[in-house]
Amino acid sequence: DAGVTQSPTHLIKTRGQQVTLRCSPKSGHDTVSWYQQALGQGPQFIFQYYEEEERQRGNFPDRFSGHQFPNYSSELNVNALLLGDSALYLCASSFYSGGGETQYFGPGTRLLVL
Amino acid sequence: GENVEQHPSTLSVQEGDSAVIKCTYSDSASNYFPWYKQELGKRPQLIIDIRSNVGEKKDQRIAVTLNKTAKHFSLHITETQPEDSAVYFCAASKGTGGFKTIFGAGTRLFVKA
Repeated sequence: DAGVTQSPTHLIKTRGQQVTLRCSPKSGHDTVSWYQQALGQGPQFIFQYYEEEERQRGNFPDRFSGHQFPNYSSELNVNALLLGDSALYLCASSFYSGGGETQYFGPGTRLLVL
Repeated sequence: GENVEQHPSTLSVQEGDSAVIKCTYSDSASNYFPWYKQELGKRPQLIIDIRSNVGEKKDQRIAVTLNKTAKHFSLHITETQPEDSAVYFCAASKGTGGFKTIFGAGTRLFVKA
C-alpha cells in the first residue's frame, strides 16, 4: 500500500521563476491538501482539493495555484517566485467524509529560491 | 482570524518523566484536533487525534484532552523515552465538504537519558 509521495525532493529556483510540485495521495484517498512549512515553523495551510476543485484556501496570494487530476494526484504551482517562498512544501492526503478527516503527509519538496 | 497558539516552544524533561504540551484555538467552529510528531528532516506523523464530541482520548503513553468551552487542548506523554525527542505540532481543523487545518508553531521536546 503506497503512502503519499511527492516530487521532486529538492528544487532550486531563482526569483521570478515558476515552479510546479507534484503529489500522489495514499491509496484509497481522494483529497489532497498543500502546506508550506518554513524553517522552525508549523505547516501553513495553502489549499485543499477534492473532486478536482479547490474546496478551501488559506491566506496565500493568487501566485499559488493548484490542480487535481482524475486519479486524485495534485500539483501545486507557484508563479513569480520570491525569496520568501523558500520552504518545505508538504502535501497531505485524506479520504473525504465530510470534515475532520485524518491526513497523512508526504515527505515534502524542499524549495530554495535564490 | 483563525489561530492556534502552542506552549511551550521548547520542553526538556528527564527520561521517565511526563511531558505536557498545551494549545489554544480561536475558532469555536473547529471540530477536529490532531497532533503530529516531526523528527528532523522527516514528514509530520499523526500520533493521536480527538474530535469535538470527545473530552479525552488515550493511546498507550499518549493522551489528549479537549476543553471546548475554554478552547484548549493538551497532549500528555507519560514515561518519556529518548526516542520521543522531536517537534510536536497541535492543529485545529474545521469544515464540512472540505476542511482547513491550522497548525500551532510547534514544541521542541528534548528527553534526556
